[in-house]
Amino acid sequence: GENVEQHPSTLSVQEGDSAVIKCTYSDSASNYFPWYKQELGKGPQLIIDIRSNVGEKKDQRIAVTLNKTAKHFSLHITETQPEDSAVYFCAASSGAGRRALTFGSGTRLQVQP
Amino acid sequence: EAQVTQNPRYLITVTGKKLTVTCSQNMNHEYMSWYRQDPGLGLRQIYYSMNVEVTDKGDVPEGYKVSRKEKRNFPLILESPSPNQTSLYFCASKSLDTDTQYFGPGTRLTVL
Repeated sequence: GENVEQHPSTLSVQEGDSAVIKCTYSDSASNYFPWYKQELGKGPQLIIDIRSNVGEKKDQRIAVTLNKTAKHFSLHITETQPEDSAVYFCAASSGAGRRALTFGSGTRLQVQP
Repeated sequence: EAQVTQNPRYLITVTGKKLTVTCSQNMNHEYMSWYRQDPGLGLRQIYYSMNVEVTDKGDVPEGYKVSRKEKRNFPLILESPSPNQTSLYFCASKSLDTDTQYFGPGTRLTVL
């Protein structure tokens, strides 16, 4: 089955700096890669996703890049703000069959004001 | 408002006492799923359902049951809870036409 590894497990940055979270996946059949943000006491919320036919996607301050050959994808947050502090999860899915998302172990991002 | 709701949000119980965690969505989604979240392990799928009366095991189904009698509801049943089922549980749903899953607010379960 699919295995997703995520690094780092914790990340502390100063407000205004950039933050990068990296994930690798094992199943070459995976073709959908979402990123979720989880705030304290809430469920994961989708913030951006990318499909395997695209190398990069950007939405305001957040961007995701995908390298299919190396089987890794990354989340980039620029001009970080205190409200970006949360736990971020990457995930991968082949979209086939049970369409399950395989999640990484999460990154706790702390943005220091 | 489009949402996934779960009840209860918090539950403390004892080993062996049957419990049910309810999940309901108002988006007319065909697909529903249960995940458990444990520190350092991310979210792992327990069971999923592609439509009414269609359910199947995920990655960690042992000790759990589900049912899908109505499209909007997907309860998670623990018939004889054990301490290793202490976890944070999330229900999710999506349309079969898309990949985006919507998550509920979570249920924190403690089994003593």
